[in-house]
Amino acid sequence: DQQVKQNSPSLSVQEGRISILNCDYTNSMFDYFLWYKKYPAEGPTFLISISSIKDKNEDGRFTVFLNKSAKHLSLHIVPSQPGDSAVYFCAARSGGGADGLTFGKGTHLIIQP
Amino acid sequence: KAGVTQTPRYLIKTRGQQVTLSCSPISGHRSVSWYQQTPGQGLQFLFEYFSETQRNKGNFPGRFSGRQFSNSRSEMNVSTLELGDSALYLCASSWTSGRTGELFFGEGSRLTVL
Repeated sequence: DQQVKQNSPSLSVQEGRISILNCDYTNSMFDYFLWYKKYPAEGPTFLISISSIKDKNEDGRFTVFLNKSAKHLSLHIVPSQPGDSAVYFCAARSGGGADGLTFGKGTHLIIQP
Repeated sequence: KAGVTQTPRYLIKTRGQQVTLSCSPISGHRSVSWYQQTPGQGLQFLFEYFSETQRNKGNFPGRFSGRQFSNSRSEMNVSTLELGDSALYLCASSWTSGRTGELFFGEGSRLTVL
């Protein structure tokens, strides 16, 4: 049973436009959400996070939105740049964090020139 | 500041063998977690160590084990290798085993089981 789902395996966006990556979760015990970015042959790198007590967190070009009632979060990248081309993983953690992070399977974002 | 270092980066084993992977966390980080990444399952939590103690373990068989040393370096071991164990094994460190979940990942050890 996949508790964190990224239903789009890939997404193609034109440079300069907005990229929107989506993530759904089923476990209502999750209270902290993160986005990681991964380039080929590298480990994932932390991008941005949000606590369940918030509905938005912004960091430069990256904004994460959380809709708890819909169990949905999204990552917005504005404007999209060629260096943003990577695989993006959504991850979630429940209280205490003892169970590690639960990751989605990732969305491959391709920024077209 | 050096990042998380994993060795070896690539290795090939045959079924039935065992393998040990090593991870050196970022200096000062006391928590080390291990994840398995496969194309079909994505990233899955194996276990986390903090101050030489295993905090929790993911849904993996007992063939997967690990340990952490007093200098926070960690090793994971897989015994009686199966073809399905072929994967990228990622180690991640953090300063504390807390709720925030921000982990710093290494580049991974890619294991191929023939």
